[in-house]
Amino acid sequence: QKEVEQDPGPLSVPEGAIVSLNCTYSNSAFQYFMWYRQYSRKGPELLMYTYSSGNKEDGRFTAQVDKSSKYISLFIRDSQPSDSATYLCALNAGGYQKVTFGIGTKLQVIP
Amino acid sequence: SQTIHQWPATLVQPVGSPLSLECTVEGTSNPNLYWYRQAAGRGLQLLFYSVGIGQISSEVPQNLSASRPQDRQFILSSKKLLLSDSGFYLCAWSTTSGGGNEQFFGPGTRLTVL
Repeated sequence: QKEVEQDPGPLSVPEGAIVSLNCTYSNSAFQYFMWYRQYSRKGPELLMYTYSSGNKEDGRFTAQVDKSSKYISLFIRDSQPSDSATYLCALNAGGYQKVTFGIGTKLQVIP
Repeated sequence: SQTIHQWPATLVQPVGSPLSLECTVEGTSNPNLYWYRQAAGRGLQLLFYSVGIGQISSEVPQNLSASRPQDRQFILSSKKLLLSDSGFYLCAWSTTSGGGNEQFFGPGTRLTVL
């Protein structure tokens, strides 16, 4: 079983839709949860950072962590064509532990 | 603020030729530094990481090597490139202050080996 599972997509949605991106994981030691956005032919940029369970909101983006289910989500409200990118989840057990990345979900927002 | 640079942006090299990719970080001291390779459909593969000058840890045995000659400089090298070395190479940095070890990536180098 992989440490992190993420559907590679592609996921196509109409502009204005609510997008839900998800990852599941198997290692209960993970405590830090991150989402990166990667535009085509660019480096990933850190979008959201969450510690432990709960929700975190930043503008149109909400990160949600359910440690009991080992399930993390990123919600994008009022999606825009500029949100079209690959979204990678990233998990870490804390301190200097290696960060484990998901394979990334490719999102396309259709105008 | 911190900035990370990588060069070159793109590179086309013949099989068997040497390689040198460079990464520099500005605006921070004593960062952790990382080299990743991203191949289509395969996600990010950690190649090397460094917690200080001259300290290199290898994650995957291969014909690549890394060096850290200065605090904020990280170099990826090869003596003889293979076709399988093609990919998108990303340098990243993180602070040494613990937390989630969140990493910040450079713009990447796209390497094509022919």
